[in-house]
Amino acid sequence: DVKVTQSSRYLVKRTGEKVFLECVQDMDHENMFWYRQDPGLGLRLIYFSYDVKMKEKGDIPEGYSVSREKKERFSLILESASTNQTSMYLCASSSAGTGVGGELFFGEGSRLTVL
Amino acid sequence: RKEVEQDPGPFNVPEGATVAFNCTYSNSASQSFFWYRQDCRKEPKLLMSVYSSGNEDGRFTAQLNRASQYISLLIRDSKLSDSATYLCVVNPNSGNTPLVFGKGTRLSVIA
Repeated sequence: DVKVTQSSRYLVKRTGEKVFLECVQDMDHENMFWYRQDPGLGLRLIYFSYDVKMKEKGDIPEGYSVSREKKERFSLILESASTNQTSMYLCASSSAGTGVGGELFFGEGSRLTVL
Repeated sequence: RKEVEQDPGPFNVPEGATVAFNCTYSNSASQSFFWYRQDCRKEPKLLMSVYSSGNEDGRFTAQLNRASQYISLLIRDSKLSDSATYLCVVNPNSGNTPLVFGKGTRLSVIA
């Protein structure tokens, strides 16, 4: 069974802290994505990557950075967490067969609260 | 500019009812379309792809109208377990552009 694993289901951090969200997939997918989901705003794409060491900005990259050192792992970094980054963060992956527009497999999500 | 628009609902329907959701998209070059389902506090999962000729999977029917740029999802004989948020998703089909998600339509099936 395909699997996208996010390292933490629930995190509570303080304003100004550096936050790492880790995501690992076991499907040998080329593409990986980070979204945030907020009530009334739907899924919003933060960053994506279509290859190791490659990254592309999504719709809301401000305040975030990413790292893709290995094919299976895609990390989201909040350099200095702020309260408006309190959200559900979802990682996803897809095969490169149809570019970056193929079926997405999501992790279970990481709910981050910034106090 | 809203690329993919959906009625947020909620749609509250009794068990056994038939319910339909529509979704409109703005990019006429889009080539492929999907419905994802998201249960409360869970991750989205692919429900079905939408083909030009329309497609059916059990109680679920998806249709595409390219001329009017909308996609529909019909659920027949609703079950309590169909309660979820249904996300309309469009592939812009332009190079390295990811899928575009609608904000979702919430369905509650009531006993």
